[in-house]
Formats: sequence, structure tokens, C-alpha cells
Amino acid sequence: DAGVIQSPRHEVTEMGQEVTLRCKPISGHNSLFWYRQTMMRGLELLIYFNNNVPIDDSGMPEDRFSAKMPNASFSTLKIQPSEPRDSAVYFCASSRLLNEQYFGPGTRLTVT
Amino acid sequence: AQSVTQLGSHVSVSEGALVLLRCNYSSSVPPYLFWYVQYPNQGLQLLLKYTTGATLVKGINGFEAEFKKSETSFHLTKPSAHMSDAAEYFCAVSDRVSGGSQGNLIFGKGTKLSVKP
Repeated sequence: DAGVIQSPRHEVTEMGQEVTLRCKPISGHNSLFWYRQTMMRGLELLIYFNNNVPIDDSGMPEDRFSAKMPNASFSTLKIQPSEPRDSAVYFCASSRLLNEQYFGPGTRLTVT
Repeated sequence: AQSVTQLGSHVSVSEGALVLLRCNYSSSVPPYLFWYVQYPNQGLQLLLKYTTGATLVKGINGFEAEFKKSETSFHLTKPSAHMSDAAEYFCAVSDRVSGGSQGNLIFGKGTKLSVKP
């Protein structure tokens, strides 16, 4: 199995620009999670989906963040407009059974 | 609600020494517990998990953890540290109370393990 695939691996953008992060979960997994990791705040759950439906988005920092899962094999996390404080590593994870999550390699976002 | 506390944000051991990383949890239902490892510039990788059954769980790379209900603990151990074990380790408990949604984990803040030669 290819594992969770995230793209891009690195993104550098200027403040105010739109950023879109992409995730392909493991085939057959029906839950998908977006996390953000920073030195200051550690690992934070932003949002998760079950069967393509958003279940809990209470971790999304503000309206500038949005996430979609149009089908079982693809999800996006969008930041518009981006700000320097959004700089972080963003992880996508997926799971199927027993709450065991498999993480992607992450996208390192730098907003200047 | 579930929660996880990892005691010690940094732990340093000598190569060949015992590794002990502490994790305590709070859960109103029988917990599912996990340890993940994160190597530099990588995502989190599952080390081991406890769901039901045997309370001593063996994982990859020689790590094991023991579920102790009376102590609400799930400490991670390895008899002999190797330089390649240097990484950050996260303990997690499943959020099984939140209405059956599958797979939501509550993570601790992580413990960075350093291994000295």
C-alpha cells in the first residue's frame, strides 16, 4: 500500500495568498484527519471526516481555514488568506479500524 | 472527556540504557491506547497499541508498553536504547465517547528522547 500521500511536501508563500494542501488517504480507510504541528502548540487536530462527512471542525482556527472531502480518495485543506502565523507542518492521517491512524509525511508551510 | 499526560518533555539516556517514557491517561470508558514515534522531518508512525486483552503490548523496534488500569498508565519501555531511537514519542487515547465517530485520537504533548553515545 502506498500509504497516505500529501502534496506539496513544502510550500512557501507570501502573506495574503491562498494555499491549498492535498491529501490522498489509504484506500479503504473511511476516516480522514487534518493536524497542524508547531513548536509552540504541538500537534493539534484541525478537522476530521467520517465517510467524507466533516464530523468535528472545532479545531479549525478561524474562517480563513476550510477543508473538503469530495470523495473517499481525496481531501483538501485551504487557507485563504494566509498569514505568517499559519506557518507549520500540516499532517493528514487516515484510519479504518480500532482508531489506528496512519499519518502522511506532512506539508511544511512557510508564510512570509 | 479523555486526556493524556506525558511526564517529561525531554528524556535523555545513554546508549544501551533502559528507556522509560511515561504516559498517564484519563478516560471514562475502557481506553484504546497508542504510542507513536516521530523521527525528524517525518510523519508519526505507530509503535504499538492496546485495545483489549493482554495488558503487555509489544511493538516495533523492541518497544513495549503495559496498560495498568489501576494506575491509569501506559508507559513505554525499551530494555536497551539505540542511537536510532532518538525521536519524539507521542502517547494517545481514543476519543470513544464522542458518539461513535471512528478514530479520533487525543494526543499527549510528546516526549523528545535523546540517546547519548
